Amino acid sequence: QVQLQESGPGLVKPSQTLSLTCTVSGGSINSDGFYWSWIRQHPGKGLEWIGYIHSSGTTYYSPSLKSRVTISLDTSKNHFSLKLNSVTAADTAVYYCAATIPATGMDFDYWGQGTLVTVSA
Amino acid sequence: DIQLTQSPSTLSASVGDRVTITCRASQSISSWLAWYQQKPGKAPKLLIYQASSLESGVPSRFSGSGSGTEFTLTISSLQPDDFATYYCQQYNTYYTFGQGTKLEVK
Repeated sequence: QVQLQESGPGLVKPSQTLSLTCTVSGGSINSDGFYWSWIRQHPGKGLEWIGYIHSSGTTYYSPSLKSRVTISLDTSKNHFSLKLNSVTAADTAVYYCAATIPATGMDFDYWGQGTLVTVSA
Repeated sequence: DIQLTQSPSTLSASVGDRVTITCRASQSISSWLAWYQQKPGKAPKLLIYQASSLESGVPSRFSGSGSGTEFTLTISSLQPDDFATYYCQQYNTYYTFGQGTKLEVK
């Protein structure tokens, strides 16, 4: 059973870079062809997919965020990371990491518990 | 972008009721649709994938159907644990989610 846990600062200043890490347990991040995604949820709102990285290292980002997002893998630490630059108050949200097992379709099979990031001076 | 529209936005029901939530896509997504349940302060939980396949461990009172542009999630007999918000999600062209349906106690 794959388990995911987000970590990172809960407060980021406007114009700075939001950086989060998702630590994976119960499986290797660079095996099995999994896709590792970041998803966010603005307070009281719906869900927005940010992007994914495949276990091979291939990335794919949401067109609306592509210019500001970088997702990377660290196989030595079995985690993947999100960087979102030039943040504004509109980036305040709960950020989730999630895993996709391609054999059952490109849905999100496993989720982290989520971490709230507030953008404020 | 593929837009997903859920209806209703809020649904009031009682334990034992049969309820149906609809998700309409702005263009055909074949059967590339999933349903999630989310409770306050928690991450979404996968219920249904590929429109009609029940995720392991999910009670059989949940079922999904549809293809193309119209999909439904049905709960055959509501249980107290089912009051939550439900989201559909497409993965035909990257990923988008519906706006959510809040299932509340009548």
